[in-house]
Amino acid sequence: EVQLVESGGGLVQPGRSLRLSCTASGFTFDDYAMHWVRQAPGKGLEWVSGISWSSGAIAYADSVKGRFTVSRDNAKNSLYLQMNSLRPEDTALYYCAKDMSANLYDSGASDYWGLGTLVTVSS
Amino acid sequence: DIQMTQSPSSLSASVGDRVTITCRASQSISKYLNWYQQKPGKAPNLLIYKASTLQTGVPSRFSGSGSGTDFTLTISSLQPEDFATYYCQQSYTTLFTFGPGTKLDI
Repeated sequence: EVQLVESGGGLVQPGRSLRLSCTASGFTFDDYAMHWVRQAPGKGLEWVSGISWSSGAIAYADSVKGRFTVSRDNAKNSLYLQMNSLRPEDTALYYCAKDMSANLYDSGASDYWGLGTLVTVSS
Repeated sequence: DIQMTQSPSSLSASVGDRVTITCRASQSISKYLNWYQQKPGKAPNLLIYKASTLQTGVPSRFSGSGSGTDFTLTISSLQPEDFATYYCQQSYTTLFTFGPGTKLDI
């Protein structure tokens, strides 16, 4: 059974940093690209970042480019999101999602999702 | 950047109805369009990818069509468990933009 478990969320002050983690199981992690998608309270889905199986291709939404860094450790079956210079508008539930393909350019469809970890940016 | 719009933003329907939701891209995205269903308090669930391919395990009452800029998601006969919010997402570029969502309720 595929499982994605996010962690690392919490309450953080504006301008500070936070690192999210996603631990995967039930599939061959290094065969697939991965994504972070967020959802502000009561709002729609916003794609945040994606990373190919080898970390050779990485992409970010314009809203987080230059502030967030995605990475993965295939040996640990883990995906990460380093979030710096956090803003109140970054407050959201952050989902980790598995792509159907290995490369970002092949699919972009996410067939498995975690339950999310909540990030609240507030003073 | 490619912008995605959906219509309607909300829709009231009844069990057994045939429902169509439209998604439009600001430029051609070929067939790189995905549809998700999200129920309150739950993670999204992939229904259809590449515009018309039904994800494994998704009931056949769901179907997708379209190419270029205009796409539709059709539910042929609404079931009680289908009342949810539906999102389209383009995967033509690596800025995987979602539409704003369509809330389907009774």
